[in-house]
Amino acid sequence: QQQVKQSPQSLIVQKGGISIINCAYENTAFDYFPWYQQFPGKGPALLIAIRPDVSEKKEGRFTISFNKSAKQFSLHIMDSQPGDSATYFCAAGFRGQFYFGTGTSLTVIP
Amino acid sequence: DAGVTQSPTHLIKTRGQQVTLRCSPISGHKSVSWYQQVLGQGPQFIFQYYEKEERGRGNFPDRFSARQFPNYSSELNVNALLLGDSALYLCASSLYRADGYTFGSGTRLTVV
Repeated sequence: QQQVKQSPQSLIVQKGGISIINCAYENTAFDYFPWYQQFPGKGPALLIAIRPDVSEKKEGRFTISFNKSAKQFSLHIMDSQPGDSATYFCAAGFRGQFYFGTGTSLTVIP
Repeated sequence: DAGVTQSPTHLIKTRGQQVTLRCSPISGHKSVSWYQQVLGQGPQFIFQYYEKEERGRGNFPDRFSARQFPNYSSELNVNALLLGDSALYLCASSLYRADGYTFGSGTRLTVV
């Protein structure tokens, strides 16, 4: 059973547009929800994270929206840039043990 | 400051062999976790260590084992390698158990 479901699998956005990636989780015990960015040949890099006591967190161009009742959270990338082209993973966990989504391959077209 | 360092970066092993992967966490980080990432998929949790004790184990067979040393570095051992063990093995560290983890670049293991 997949603990975290992520969509879409791939996303193509024009430069300057908004990229939106969605995730849903099952386990209500999860209390930490990070997003990671991964470039080919590299490990995942932590972008932004949220705890379930807040509904939104913004850091620069990246925003997490969190809906506890629906058990869903999403990543919004504003003013998307070609350098944002990478694979994005959502994750959810408890006490540092994380379950990852299957990833979204984002391509930003100049 | 050095990030999470893993060695070796690449490794080729034969089925049935044993392998040891090494990880040095960010200085001061006490928690280390190991993940397996198969090509095209998200990382899967294998182990978590905090203060040198195993604090969590994912759904992996007993062929997988790990330990954390007094300096907080860690080793992941895999015995009786199978072709399906071919993957990127990621180590991640954090100051505390529940924080966001910083990943290393991983060890690419190929089993032939």
